[in-house]
Amino acid sequence: RKEVEQDPGPFNVPEGATVAFNCTYSNSASQSFFWYRQDCRKEPKLLMSVYSSGNEDGRFTAQLNRASQYISLLIRDSKLSDSATYLCVVRGRGGFKTIFGAGTRLFVKA
Amino acid sequence: DTEVTQTPKHLVMGMTNKKSLKCEQHMGHRAMYWYKQKAKKPPELMFVYSYEKLSINESVPSRFSPECPNSSLLNLHLHALQPEDSALYLCASSQGGSTGAGNTIYFGEGSWLTVV
Repeated sequence: RKEVEQDPGPFNVPEGATVAFNCTYSNSASQSFFWYRQDCRKEPKLLMSVYSSGNEDGRFTAQLNRASQYISLLIRDSKLSDSATYLCVVRGRGGFKTIFGAGTRLFVKA
Repeated sequence: DTEVTQTPKHLVMGMTNKKSLKCEQHMGHRAMYWYKQKAKKPPELMFVYSYEKLSINESVPSRFSPECPNSSLLNLHLHALQPEDSALYLCASSQGGSTGAGNTIYFGEGSWLTVV
């Protein structure tokens, strides 16, 4: 079993749609959780950190369920510019090892 | 714009060449990383430096040699590479190994390496 698993994708959605990405992690000692966005041939960029209480940034909402070891990202009112690969990222306590999910490709179409 | 700067952006080298990739950050971060990313794959951790000391080496072949001259600089020395080493090499930094926001990793734009 992979340490971090994501929906395989790709997701093809029309503009204005709501899309949800899911991610599970295997190490219950994991402490920090993030969603990164990566555009084609660019570096990964932090989209948002994920907190136990859940957090929202504009059209983006992230949720963490520690009991189920599950992270989610919800994108509302999808824009063409949201087309990218979304990477789920997990880090351990006090350590530097960072585990990336395989990424989920999103295509938003007009 | 990223605050982690990598040079060169593109590098083509022969299998017998020696070259180096360079990375610099001025965010006062104490941890710096090298990642390798192949097409349609997630980044793979290669090395981590913490407070200028090598903290993690993910069993990387010795033809890749990291160096951390100071807390702001990170180099990756390349020698006798193979064509399969062609990839995007990403440098990153973080405040340290703490939890929470201090654990956020910031990436440079990467160096595209082609080995011929």
